[in-house]
Amino acid sequence: DTEVTQTPKHLVMGMTNKKSLKCEQHMGHRAMYWYKQKAKKPPELMFVYSYEKLSINESVPSRFSPECPNSSLLNLHLHALQPEDSALYLCASSLEGFSVDEQYFGPGTRLTVT
Amino acid sequence: TQLLEQSPQFLSIQEGENLTVYCNSSSVFSSLQWYRQEPGEGPVLLVTVVTGGEVKKLKRLTFQFGDARKDSSLHITAAQPGDTGLYLCAGALEAGGTSYGKLTFGQGTILTVHP
Repeated sequence: DTEVTQTPKHLVMGMTNKKSLKCEQHMGHRAMYWYKQKAKKPPELMFVYSYEKLSINESVPSRFSPECPNSSLLNLHLHALQPEDSALYLCASSLEGFSVDEQYFGPGTRLTVT
Repeated sequence: TQLLEQSPQFLSIQEGENLTVYCNSSSVFSSLQWYRQEPGEGPVLLVTVVTGGEVKKLKRLTFQFGDARKDSSLHITAAQPGDTGLYLCAGALEAGGTSYGKLTFGQGTILTVHP
């Protein structure tokens, strides 16, 4: 089973709202990732958790706050977003978090900030 | 500077034609992955190549990793409308050492196969 699940599928939020994106995997992977993807562009790495510890933060604005409650779950808390934050947010997982590990992506959450 | 140059950016062909997508770099990669992504969905891993000169086949898709591990290609034979999507190459830089999780992505190739 190489499935990564993400909820919700679509999210529309105002600039003053607080919302969370959720990601789950049951492949026994110990690394999980958040990416942001604009239309027809490659994914841009935001955060990496390895063994439940934040190992990479790609200088992401503080209005995005990641959380890894356990090795199977990954959340992205959103607050005071801007319209330019509208994008497809992808979660991925891999075995341990080394760059050579194969990464498996979820279906994404389509976020629209109004 | 784009570390992984992917070409072409756009490809529009008729069903039954063959095509090749290229990923090139001046840097050496420990491994390289190819993904296909359909609109509104996440990228799906097609293949991983790790050995210089390696060739892998997946039905009508043939993947090759350059001998020096600086480039890769994806060849599709007799393309079908179901092959339509965004194709992404992504590599792990050898110089990255144990740098956690950072894949270097190409800019993507948007393939449209017309019936």
